[in-house]
Amino acid sequence: EDQVTQSPEALRLQEGESSSLNCSYTVSGLRGLFWYRQDPGKGPEFLFTLYSAGEEKEKERLKATLTKKESFLHITAPKPEDSATYLCATRGYGGSQGNLIFGKGTKLSVKP
Amino acid sequence: KAGVTQTPRYLIKTRGQQVTLSCSPISGHRSVSWYQQTPGQGLQFLFEYFSETQRNKGNFPGRFSGRQFSNSRSEMNVSTLELGDSALYLCASSSQGVGESPLHFGNGTRLTVT
Repeated sequence: EDQVTQSPEALRLQEGESSSLNCSYTVSGLRGLFWYRQDPGKGPEFLFTLYSAGEEKEKERLKATLTKKESFLHITAPKPEDSATYLCATRGYGGSQGNLIFGKGTKLSVKP
Repeated sequence: KAGVTQTPRYLIKTRGQQVTLSCSPISGHRSVSWYQQTPGQGLQFLFEYFSETQRNKGNFPGRFSGRQFSNSRSEMNVSTLELGDSALYLCASSSQGVGESPLHFGNGTRLTVT
């Protein structure tokens, strides 16, 4: 069964304190791994798509990386405005029939 | 460019009733997909419509259905509501489809079933 597990569930950082969020996945034939950011009361906002192991993408203070079993979202010198829930999702060729499978998210709080 | 619009923002219904939610995608996007978000299960895929045809369906009972119109606007219907259907329902549009191009989400409809 295709699965996506995110850790930690919640993360509190001080402004400027870099860290990483983890997304572990089990999927038959990865067709893409996606990162989204969700602010309270809003729908998720697209951040990155990764397709193959070794691929990296960057946007401002965020950098996403992908291996064959997991993806990391690295946050460098975070600011309070980076506080949000970060969701990862995968899409595979197998049992999920190409549907998106989301993890439950990591809630990030950055204190000034 | 206007974003994805979902109406209504909030709904309160009684068990056994039915409900229809509406989603207007970004202009030019032919794919609309629907998701249920709850604290316990997280975000779960319901179904995707592309050019008026259902392309994919998640693991939800037949009480959940949808359709897409020729202008790409989409509706989702839930019949015989149960307490467990209380959730935030999100729709997303994309130009190429789920997983093929970035999803643009609306801010959701919060459904409460009493």
